[in-house]
Amino acid sequence: ILNVEQSPQSLHVQEGDSTNFTCSFPSSNFYALHWYRWETAKSPEALFVMTLNGDEKKKGRISATLNTKEGYSYLYIKGSQPEDSATYLCACYILTGGGNKLTFGTGTQLKVEL
Amino acid sequence: NAGVTQTPKFQVLKTGQSMTLQCAQDMNHEYMSWYRQDPGMGLRLIHYSVGAGITDQGEVPNGYNVSRSTTEDFPLRLLSAAPSQTSVYFCASSEGRGDTQYFGPGTRLTVL
Repeated sequence: ILNVEQSPQSLHVQEGDSTNFTCSFPSSNFYALHWYRWETAKSPEALFVMTLNGDEKKKGRISATLNTKEGYSYLYIKGSQPEDSATYLCACYILTGGGNKLTFGTGTQLKVEL
Repeated sequence: NAGVTQTPKFQVLKTGQSMTLQCAQDMNHEYMSWYRQDPGMGLRLIHYSVGAGITDQGEVPNGYNVSRSTTEDFPLRLLSAAPSQTSVYFCASSEGRGDTQYFGPGTRLTVL
């Protein structure tokens, strides 16, 4: 079973703070790394898909970086707002002989307080 | 486009009953997957399909069957429900291998 680990498990920040989370994954046979935003009572929604070492993606105040050689990705949120409160999931796609499957981490739960 | 749809939204079963969770997508995606979400466990892959007529097992396939007779539909069958199958089930589709997953709204299943 592939290990995709996220830290921290949860995070409380104040409005306006910048924050970042980590996703670590096996670096061998890497194919793609996904980030999803998951609000309570809704479905996960894609933020980024990254495939190349050194990739950086940005959407508004949220950005992500990827290091496939050492097996980690960072998600950054600049100037957090209450509407950023959600669980942020990363998922890794590894090419294996037993099939090509997306494996999710357990997520980082972010709470932004006024 | 409706995207990915799932029915029912909620279901309560008794131990030993069988049922089918429906999933459909209208984006002409080849890849479809079923996940279950349990507290502290994240999303775990049950079964997936890379095209009509082709399915494979994920991380937690026991107790579930799937088939893919059309590109649009990917039903998940619970053969004999057990309390351990109480969970929220998400269906997802993607255009190709490693591509963005589009999730359905989920089905909350309780097995008594």
